Amino acid sequence: GAGVSQSPSNKVTEKGKDVELRCDPISGHTALYWYRQSLGQGLEFLIYFQGNSAPDKSGLPSDRFSAERTGGSVSTLTIQRTQQEDSAVYLCASSPGLGDEQFFGPGTRLTVL
Amino acid sequence: SQKIEQNSEALNIQEGKTATLTCNYTNYSPAYLQWYRQDPGRGPVFLLLIRENEKEKRKERLKVTFDTTLKQSLFHITASQPADSATYLCALEFSGGYNKLIFGAGTRLAVHP
Repeated sequence: GAGVSQSPSNKVTEKGKDVELRCDPISGHTALYWYRQSLGQGLEFLIYFQGNSAPDKSGLPSDRFSAERTGGSVSTLTIQRTQQEDSAVYLCASSPGLGDEQFFGPGTRLTVL
Repeated sequence: SQKIEQNSEALNIQEGKTATLTCNYTNYSPAYLQWYRQDPGRGPVFLLLIRENEKEKRKERLKVTFDTTLKQSLFHITASQPADSATYLCALEFSGGYNKLIFGAGTRLAVHP
């Protein structure tokens, strides 16, 4: 399809394990964003990429969180040593450029037991 | 820090009436403001963007106003339909045009036949 895709759709992991969440943006979109949404809460900005660089990582909750983007396309959000408070829906969005509307993927629901 | 307030209580209205949702913010002057719709289990979908120098923006049955003095945006859906039932999110751009968005928690709208 032509939309933003994310995988996996659901991830259940044990506390202390590492997880990788993947985002495939819309082809040609230079900007990519990661958000986290806890139950009943608004979206919390985590990080954004312009091309392969991340000018703003200020939203990452701790140094256990990292993200990368390669080839100006696919992005991976990695959470190391997961904690129960990391449980949330992780949403990825892309836009043609900065300042444009954002197109969201369906999200990855992460549950840390 | 930036703060966005949306009415946390669900808004229940009768089909055909106009729904009005409120977004208030403090501590910032955003370059623009966006409204998104989110259905359960789905990512947000962009609806409208209004810039700081615009007072009003319309799209079909949707209307958004932006009062930078009151630090408030109003989102109207005229001739509401049951299919309009969803959660509506207000998002402020707070990075000087780099599309770094901060989202409100959203207001759930229920349109009854």
